[in-house]
Amino acid sequence: DIQMTQSPSSLSASVGDRVTITCRASQSISSYLNWYHQKPGKAPKLLIYAASSLQSGVPSRFSGSGSGTDFTLTISSLQPEDFATYYCQHTYTTPFTFGPGTIVDIK
Amino acid sequence: EVQLVESGGGLVQPGGSLRLSCAASGFTFSSYEMNWVRQAPGKGLEWVSYISSSGSTIYYADSVKGRFSISRDNAKNSLYLQMNSLRAEDTAVYYCARGNRLSGSSLWGQGTLVTVSS
Repeated sequence: DIQMTQSPSSLSASVGDRVTITCRASQSISSYLNWYHQKPGKAPKLLIYAASSLQSGVPSRFSGSGSGTDFTLTISSLQPEDFATYYCQHTYTTPFTFGPGTIVDIK
Repeated sequence: EVQLVESGGGLVQPGGSLRLSCAASGFTFSSYEMNWVRQAPGKGLEWVSYISSSGSTIYYADSVKGRFSISRDNAKNSLYLQMNSLRAEDTAVYYCARGNRLSGSSLWGQGTLVTVSS
């Protein structure tokens, strides 16, 4: 099975900060990588699919990059509604494993 | 309105069974691949199962293989998860999610809580 890791596991940031989260796969997954965020008590929300494609309706401050084993989610200017837990997920082959998550909270 | 609504969760004893349902509305359900994803209390997300739009292709996580069964009824716009031989570690919020390998899961239900306890 393909294992997913994320770094950092948590970070504290201020409104307006540029935030970068990294996701690494244990083997190449091409561009089969999605990013979600989740707020407490709510369902996850898709932000980025296929490593770098912005999901419809998601603000352009979110961007994704990478291919193979190393991927990055960047929030160019953190907004109050962005404080949440962020997960990557590969869909290269089953099982479609999620990363352990990165908590983004207020500094 | 485009939405997914899960039901069927609840408290069940270890070894028991439960059937979850996911009702789809506002889109052509039969055209979409579907997944079940779960989240144990205070933990991260775990992919559970996948079914193709026709129901002909099915995958499971190793943790549920042989105990859970995914199915769908396109005429009823519904997705199901039959859960047998339940264990304490199956306790989680279960989400149905519309999506595929190429474009991720863009539509999620609100989740239904399954608690396995004596």
